[in-house]
Amino acid sequence: SQTIHQWPATLVQPVGSPLSLECTVEGTSNPNLYWYRQAAGRGLQLLFYSVGIGQISSEVPQNLSASRPQDRQFILSSKKLLLSDSGFYLCAWSSGISSGQPQHFGDGTRLSIL
Amino acid sequence: AQTVTQSQPEMSVQEAETVTLSCTYDTSESDYYLFWYKQPPSRQMILVIRQEAYKQQNATENRFSVNFQKAAKSFSLKISDSQLGDAAMYFCAYIEYGGSQGNLIFGKGTKLSVKP
Repeated sequence: SQTIHQWPATLVQPVGSPLSLECTVEGTSNPNLYWYRQAAGRGLQLLFYSVGIGQISSEVPQNLSASRPQDRQFILSSKKLLLSDSGFYLCAWSSGISSGQPQHFGDGTRLSIL
Repeated sequence: AQTVTQSQPEMSVQEAETVTLSCTYDTSESDYYLFWYKQPPSRQMILVIRQEAYKQQNATENRFSVNFQKAAKSFSLKISDSQLGDAAMYFCAYIEYGGSQGNLIFGKGTKLSVKP
C-alpha cells in the first residue's frame, strides 16, 4: 500500500532563517505531488505541484520554492523565512494516471516563525 | 473560475444522530469530481468520500453518504450514527475532469462538534 511521510512534524524558526521541509511517498511510482499551506482556521492554499521529476508548477508567487529531485521526493524550501510563512504545511500525492484521483495527505508540519 | 462554498462554518450533532454538511460549487464544466475530506484535531487530512459527476448514483462509504444534485451544484455530506471520532473539520473539494492536476479547489471548511 502507498504511504506518505512528511517531516519534521513541528518546526520553530527565526525570521530570516532558511527552511527545508521534506516529503516522500512509498508504494507508487510517478505520483503527482503537492504542497499546501493552511493558515489557522482557514482552508488549504495550494503552493506548488509537480507531475514529474524537475517539473514544478507554482500557484502562488511568494517566498517559497519547491523541488523534486527524485520521483517520490518533494521538498519545500525558503532562503529567508518571513513571519507570514507561519502555518501548517501539508504534502499530498495523487495517482498520475488520470485526473479525478483523490489526493492523499501527509501528517503535516506546523511551522512557527519567531 | 470554479469556486466551492461551505456555508456552515460550524455544526453540532448529538452522538448517534445524523448530521448533514452543505457544499455548493460553481462551474461551467460537465465532467468533474467532488470530494469530502476530514481533518481531525491531529490535522491529518483524510479522504472521506469521492463522487464522479457523470454518475447519478450517490456515493456512500459506511456511515458517510452524499446527496449529489448536479443541476443545483450541490454536494452535501450526511453522517449517520455520529460518533465522537467524527468531530473534525470537513472540507468539500472539486476538481475538473482533465484539468490541471493542481487544480483541486477546497471550500473553507465546516467544523463539526459531536456531543456525547
